[in-house]
Amino acid sequence: AQSVSQHNHHVILSEAASLELGCNYSYGGTVNLFWYVQYPGQHLQLLLKYFSGDPLVKGIKGFEAEFIKSKFSFNLRKPSVQWSDTAEYFCAVNARTGGGADGLTFGKGTHLIIQP
Amino acid sequence: DAGVIQSPRHEVTEMGQEVTLRCKPISGHNSLFWYRQTMMRGLELLIYFNNNVPIDDSGMPEDRFSAKMPNASFSTLKIQPSEPRDSAVYFCASSPPTLPNTEAFFGQGTRLTVV
Repeated sequence: AQSVSQHNHHVILSEAASLELGCNYSYGGTVNLFWYVQYPGQHLQLLLKYFSGDPLVKGIKGFEAEFIKSKFSFNLRKPSVQWSDTAEYFCAVNARTGGGADGLTFGKGTHLIIQP
Repeated sequence: DAGVIQSPRHEVTEMGQEVTLRCKPISGHNSLFWYRQTMMRGLELLIYFNNNVPIDDSGMPEDRFSAKMPNASFSTLKIQPSEPRDSAVYFCASSPPTLPNTEAFFGQGTRLTVV
């Protein structure tokens, strides 16, 4: 079974600061990797995803993530955060199967607060 | 596209009552997932279906929980009898049949409070 570890449970930054949220996973096979964002009171929305190819993936709202296979990591980055980035961020993985989509295993989430 | 539709958005019920949560996946998606979100445990996968067939229900906490998917456009999650510790936000999600793209699209969730 897969597991996902997010290193920071709470992060507080000022606007324009750079952001990096850590994510490590454990699984012996091939995985798909995702970052989801949950704004207060809302449902989860996909920020970006990695299936294969270029390990540096770009998502919406200026976010990017880098898959480092040797470190089992998929860290999320943004060079300059905005107040509107205040939200909960979840790293997730699922195993590649031949029979269709596998369920996602989520990390515990990182609560990001951006101070104006 | 209306996205994944869940109902009700909020449910308050008394302990011991039966609760039924409903989900309509995105048309054309063949995988459907039920997740539960709590402060203590985060997001947990309860059960998922591929082509209307339950594939993995190992996340269902106990026999009080059951889920069905009678057709490709409808699923229910039932709790009977409900207990206060079942209070959580329950999310339904669906995925398209385009491997390896297994992005899950989430509904707005049902906030369940059992008193």
